Amino acid sequence: EVVLTQSPGTLSLSPGEGGTLSCRASQSVRSNYLAWYQQKPGQAPRLLIYSASSRATGIPDRFSGSGSGTDFSLTISRVEPEDFAVYYCQQYGSSPGTFGQGTKVEIK
Amino acid sequence: QVQLKESGPGLVKASLTLSLTCAVSGGSVSTSDSYWSWIRQPPGKGLEWMGYIYHSGSTYYNPSLKSRLTISLDPSNNQFSLELGSVTAADTAVYYCARYDTSVYDAFDLWGQGTLVTVS
Repeated sequence: EVVLTQSPGTLSLSPGEGGTLSCRASQSVRSNYLAWYQQKPGQAPRLLIYSASSRATGIPDRFSGSGSGTDFSLTISRVEPEDFAVYYCQQYGSSPGTFGQGTKVEIK
Repeated sequence: QVQLKESGPGLVKASLTLSLTCAVSGGSVSTSDSYWSWIRQPPGKGLEWMGYIYHSGSTYYNPSLKSRLTISLDPSNNQFSLELGSVTAADTAVYYCARYDTSVYDAFDLWGQGTLVTVS
């Protein structure tokens, strides 16, 4: 099983600031099948990024993904009030698909 | 557009079987570009992918749950279901059904609203 480790656990940002979330895999993610999701309290996760760097339909361009192999990142430029949430990375290059433990983006 | 909605008991007694159904609207479970999945989230914790079923009926289960989990497909009612046996308090979680799309995303692009199941 591929273990995904996200860091930091919590990221404190002021509205308008930018920040980067990290996701490290215990082994290479095949075909860069790495996705990022946003989850707000009481809601289901929402797909933001797929294939490591492609934005899903309707996702603002302030969200960007990068990386390959074992190291991936999600960058939020100019964080908006609605971006404060928990973010999860997820891989499906190897079965079973696995999620990281999440990074909480909170208001500074 | 395609929507998913979970239904089932919110309370299950320990040692019994947890059963949930996911109704799919606006699309067909018989499509070849989707894997119909169950994902759960214990209160205050992260996400755990449980397993999926394909339109052919083939399934894949997370090895950690394989001995207790059954996912089935009901094309006539356009829904799929989960059964988790011998539940304990550790199975208390919000259970989500989700679509794993292979036509564009290779990711979970659609989710149900989730349903909280408490094991007592």
